[in-house]
Amino acid sequence: DAGITQSPRYKITETGRQVTLMCHQTWSHSYMFWYRQDLGHGLRLIYYSAAADITDKGEVPDGYVVSRSKTENFPLTLESATRSQTSVYFCASSDGHLNTEAFFGQGTRLTVV
Amino acid sequence: DAKTTQPPSMDCAEGRAANLPCNHSTISGNEYVYWYRQIHSQGPQYIIHGLKNNETNEMASLIITEDRKSSTLILPHATLRDTAVYYCFGGTSYGKLTFGQGTILTVHP
Repeated sequence: DAGITQSPRYKITETGRQVTLMCHQTWSHSYMFWYRQDLGHGLRLIYYSAAADITDKGEVPDGYVVSRSKTENFPLTLESATRSQTSVYFCASSDGHLNTEAFFGQGTRLTVV
Repeated sequence: DAKTTQPPSMDCAEGRAANLPCNHSTISGNEYVYWYRQIHSQGPQYIIHGLKNNETNEMASLIITEDRKSSTLILPHATLRDTAVYYCFGGTSYGKLTFGQGTILTVHP
């Protein structure tokens, strides 16, 4: 199916565990983004990528690792999950033009216990 | 990207027009005005964008003042499904968005 998909949609993990959230887009968009949204707050940028093998930090990158070996995939890894990383995570992509819209996935609700 | 200011909340009766304002007085000449919304628990959704002229699509209309310092998003016949948080942006820097608090629009029956 065309679009941007995130998996899993829901995840419960234990403190200290490593967990990877997946994001896949079918448009060959150059830019991809990861945001987190905490209860009652707006979205904050974690990491973004301008192209394969090019990533950069956003506003709240600590505790997260990203990679982009293929244009269509942009996984987000929590190397050692903490309770403060309990959040809803949204992935997005854009075509990389200067003034362009972004397309968001449906989100992954992560609970760290 | 331009700094934007939006009212924290607004109410609208179902079937009536919802007019959501946004101030973006620092917007530069080549920056577009973008509107997104986030319906509860879903990913943000692009609504509309414009540079100088008023724009309309199947979802909404965008009215930009002549000096480009403010704009209004118009949902012509609001429905209960339009209840959401609406975000205004001045420029998007390749799709990278800096979210503010937006406007919580509540559509009442």
